[in-house]
Amino acid sequence: DTGVSQNPRHKITKRGQNVTFRCDPISEHNRLYWYRQTLGQGPEFLTYFQNEAQLEKSRLLSDRFSAERPKGSFSTLEIQRTEQGDSAMYLCASSLGSGTGFYSNQPQHFGDGTRLSIL
Amino acid sequence: AQTVTQSQPEMSVQEAETVTLSCTYDTSENNYYLFWYKQPPSRQMILVIRQEAYKQQNATENRFSVNFQKAAKSFSLKISDSQLGDTAMYFCALVTGGGTSYGKLTFGQGTILTVHP
Repeated sequence: DTGVSQNPRHKITKRGQNVTFRCDPISEHNRLYWYRQTLGQGPEFLTYFQNEAQLEKSRLLSDRFSAERPKGSFSTLEIQRTEQGDSAMYLCASSLGSGTGFYSNQPQHFGDGTRLSIL
Repeated sequence: AQTVTQSQPEMSVQEAETVTLSCTYDTSENNYYLFWYKQPPSRQMILVIRQEAYKQQNATENRFSVNFQKAAKSFSLKISDSQLGDTAMYFCALVTGGGTSYGKLTFGQGTILTVHP
């Protein structure tokens, strides 16, 4: 178990630029989540993948945000035309589960996050 | 929709003493899990303890235990024999059942715990 890996750890960019973050989940985990955490607050759910399928997106995820998980392995989160309000920590988590049954939920393991700073 | 509320923004405790962090939640679901996660400064979120709603017995993990009051929708975390390494932000979180929940977590605002030597 090598843990959930996120890259980069910190991204500084100018307003209006595009950024892409990567998450490598624990290898046997089929579920992958993205959360956003602003300073002093709890994480908020953004989107969820089961294998390669994106099954849910939060209303927080505007049209400027897109996430992919090709082949059900790593995932990328892209933000286009970044805005000041996008500054936050972006957390990735993974877990093992089967189907949509509640009792198949296993605890989520989190990565270190990518801190995005918009100048 | 579900909500999680942590009403204590900051708490402090002396090393070796006991501290309790509070959490209340609201959900209309019958099946759910409650969690406490720990987030040390600049480090990743770690699961501390988990409670299944259908279990009446309170979960315990070494120095960490919970007081789960289902009717009151209360889920507090007790840390016994506090250690300096317990200094962190603590989050209470909820995941509900239902076909479309997909296990997404709803977090509270967090409580910053500082353990003093």
